[in-house]
Amino acid sequence: EAQVTQNPRYLITVTGKKLTVTCSQNMNHEYMSWYRQDPGLGLRQIYYSMNVEVTDKGDVPEGYKVSRKEKRNFPLILESPSPNQTSLYFCASMPGTTFNYGYTFGSGTRLTVV
Amino acid sequence: AQSVTQPDIHITVSEGASLELRCNYSYGATPYLFWYVQSPGQGLQLLLKYFSGDTLVQGIKGFEAEFKRSQSSFNLRKPSVHWSDAAEYFCAVGTTSGTYKYIFGTGTRLKVLA
Repeated sequence: EAQVTQNPRYLITVTGKKLTVTCSQNMNHEYMSWYRQDPGLGLRQIYYSMNVEVTDKGDVPEGYKVSRKEKRNFPLILESPSPNQTSLYFCASMPGTTFNYGYTFGSGTRLTVV
Repeated sequence: AQSVTQPDIHITVSEGASLELRCNYSYGATPYLFWYVQSPGQGLQLLLKYFSGDTLVQGIKGFEAEFKRSQSSFNLRKPSVHWSDAAEYFCAVGTTSGTYKYIFGTGTRLKVLA
């Protein structure tokens, strides 16, 4: 089944403790992206990657890092999480640099930073 | 600047009634337009998309949307709502100014009364 898999689904952590949220897709998509979803703000893009070793900042990149060493994986790293990073995070992918097929989204990771 | 506005935060309709969710966009060129649906606890799923051609597009689950350039709108409609349509709906614009990027609206939460 074609899908984007995020792990974990839920995570509670403490301020300052480094964490990684994994994202993997099995569709050979070139384009991958991370979003955070907050009430009243919709989805805001954190980082995106147009291909292996090609990443760039989205609208809200502060406090986050990403890497794209393999085509299928696009982990999101929070080096020193803070409470304002408590949010619902989505990974998404799409084939190439085209909108023809839209995004495929993961099921989300609900992160709480205390 | 490119933007997407969904003026209705919440909408409540009775099962069997018709539905229209509003979306207005601001974008200089011909936009790529999308509607996504997010069921509780799930990621976003593509309902339909518009790139060019016929301004009335059909999507999954019986939804349709109409592109009106003169009004910068892309409203989502369904003739008869089912209880399972209760979800949050996001309108999005795909832009290619410099890079491929989605801009999402803030979402409309649909409640369906039995």
